[in-house]
Amino acid sequence: AQKITQTQPGMFVQEKEAVTLDCTYDTSDQSYGLFWYKQPSSGEMIFLIYQGSYDEQNATEGRYSLNFQKARKSANLVISASQLGDSAMYFCAMRVGDTGNQFYFGTGTSLTVIP
Amino acid sequence: KAGVTQTPRYLIKTRGQQVTLSCSPISGHRSVSWYQQTPGQGLQFLFEYFSETQRNKGNFPGRFSGRQFSNSRSEMNVSTLELGDSALYLCASSGGSYSYEQYFGPGTRLTVT
Repeated sequence: AQKITQTQPGMFVQEKEAVTLDCTYDTSDQSYGLFWYKQPSSGEMIFLIYQGSYDEQNATEGRYSLNFQKARKSANLVISASQLGDSAMYFCAMRVGDTGNQFYFGTGTSLTVIP
Repeated sequence: KAGVTQTPRYLIKTRGQQVTLSCSPISGHRSVSWYQQTPGQGLQFLFEYFSETQRNKGNFPGRFSGRQFSNSRSEMNVSTLELGDSALYLCASSGGSYSYEQYFGPGTRLTVT
């Protein structure tokens, strides 16, 4: 069975500080992809970053980086230099194998950036 | 490039009725997936269509159905609505048969009274 776990329901971070959002996953497939999405209060899901299971380097996209530890089955999102606009729900997701685009999502972490 | 569009954005229906939601993917995208988001269950996969064929299906009752047209637009239908069907329904499109990104639409918020 495929599962994504996010254990932090809510997080606070000071503006301009870095924050790490935790994500662990469970799958027996060797080929999978890990994603992070941001969902502001407006409801739309915004793609942030992707890591493939065979990628040796950690993914980075601007202020976002993904700390991928395959042996621990973790894919933590690091946001550097937090901004007020980063306040939102963050979801970790996984797609497994070659069976199309069925994504498994975690329960999300609500991030609040404090001025 | 226009993003994923969903219509309507908001909908109020009565228990027992049926509803049809529409999703237009990004131009050129052939895969469309549907998700239900509720506070209690989070984001749950409903189904995925690729080139007019249902490729994956989540664990939802048969009241939930969908289809995809030749222009990749997709519709989702829920029959015999229940109070528990109140949710945000999100549609996502992908560029290829196995794309590493899904782009989401703004969602349709369905309220069942």
